[in-house]
Parts: sequence; C-alpha cells; structure tokens
Amino acid sequence: EIVLTQSPGTLSLSPGERATLSCRASQTVSSSYLAWYQQKPGQAPRLLIYGASTRATGIPDRFSGSGSGTDFTLTISRLEPEDFAVYYCQQYDNSRYTFGRGTKLEIK
Amino acid sequence: EEQLVQSGAEVKKPGESLKISCKGSGYIFTDYWIGWVRQMPGKGLEWMGLIYLGDSDTRYSPSFQGQVTFSADKSIGTAYLQWSSLKASDSAMYYCARPQGEGDAFEIWGQGTMVTVSS
Repeated sequence: EIVLTQSPGTLSLSPGERATLSCRASQTVSSSYLAWYQQKPGQAPRLLIYGASTRATGIPDRFSGSGSGTDFTLTISRLEPEDFAVYYCQQYDNSRYTFGRGTKLEIK
Repeated sequence: EEQLVQSGAEVKKPGESLKISCKGSGYIFTDYWIGWVRQMPGKGLEWMGLIYLGDSDTRYSPSFQGQVTFSADKSIGTAYLQWSSLKASDSAMYYCARPQGEGDAFEIWGQGTMVTVSS
C-alpha cells in the first residue's frame, strides 16, 4: 500500500502570503491519480486539484498543483481568509485509494 | 445538478446492525462508482472502498474488508454501507463520494452521515 506523508502537519500563515503544502509518496504515484482536497470544519471535503495539476471546476487560479513521481505540491499563491482549512492529498494505485493525514492551514 | 444525498444521523448501541444510504441525482447512476470514506472525530480521511452502481462490483480497503458491506440498488441510484454488529469504534462521520471513473478523484461528495455507537 502506498503511504502518503503530508508536511507540515500545521502551517501558520497570514492572509496574502503564499502557502506551499507537500505530499510525499512511499512509492511512485501516477500523476493521473494524485488529487488534493480542502475540508473546512463541519463540511464535506471539496476537490481542488486532480491529475496532480488540473484545477477542478470552480476552483480559483490561486490554487495550483505540481509534482511527479513521489513528490507533489499544492501551492496557494495569495491566501484569502476562506482558504484556512485542512488539506488532504489522495492517490490511487492497484485498486486502492489512500489519503494523506492532512495539513492544517491556520491563520497566524 | 449532480449531487449525492446521504441518509440522516444515526445513534445505535454496540452489537446493533445499521445500513446507511447515499442517493445520486442529476446523472446516470449506473455509469459510475461510489466510494465510501470514514472520518473519525478530529481525524483525517480514510478510504473504505468502492461500489460500481452498474453491476455492484466492489473494491474494499484491506482495513475495512470483512468489517462492512457495500451494496447498491441501481434502479433508484442508491448505494448502501452496512454493518452487521456495530462497535463503539465505528462512531464516525461517513461520506460517500463519486469519482469520474475508477481511480479518478472524488469530484462529488455527499453531506456525510454521522454514526454514533454508544451504550
């Protein structure tokens, strides 16, 4: 089973700053099957990025995804107040999905 | 509008059985998989498995194999998650979610069903 390790566990930043979230896989992941989600308290997760770098419908262009192989990154170029949430990466391989443990993005 | 609507919150006792549902609307049910995701209180997301609405083909996470059962009624576009004997450790929020295809990201999510198991 592929394990996804997200870092940092918590990221404290201010609105307007740039956020860089990391997702590292224990084995090579197909970029086609790497996704990022945002979850706010009391809400279901929301798909942000799929295929490692493609924004889902309605996602602002301040969100971008990059990476390949075992290292993937979610970047939020200029944080808005509504961006403070928990972010999860997810992968699919060999008929199984796994999620990372999440990065909490909090207001500094 | 494509959406998934889940059944309401449940409070059960240990040892009881339970079946929760996830109903799709706004799309052709039988063309898609439905995934189930557990989120224990204050914790992260755990993939439980998938069921294909067209023929009820299933994929189970090894962590949940034998612990839960997926089923579906394609005539009404509904997927189900079932326990035969609940434990306190099954207390969690359960989400259903729909990928575009097997392996794809979960583009549509249900609102979640909170399950509480307590004596």
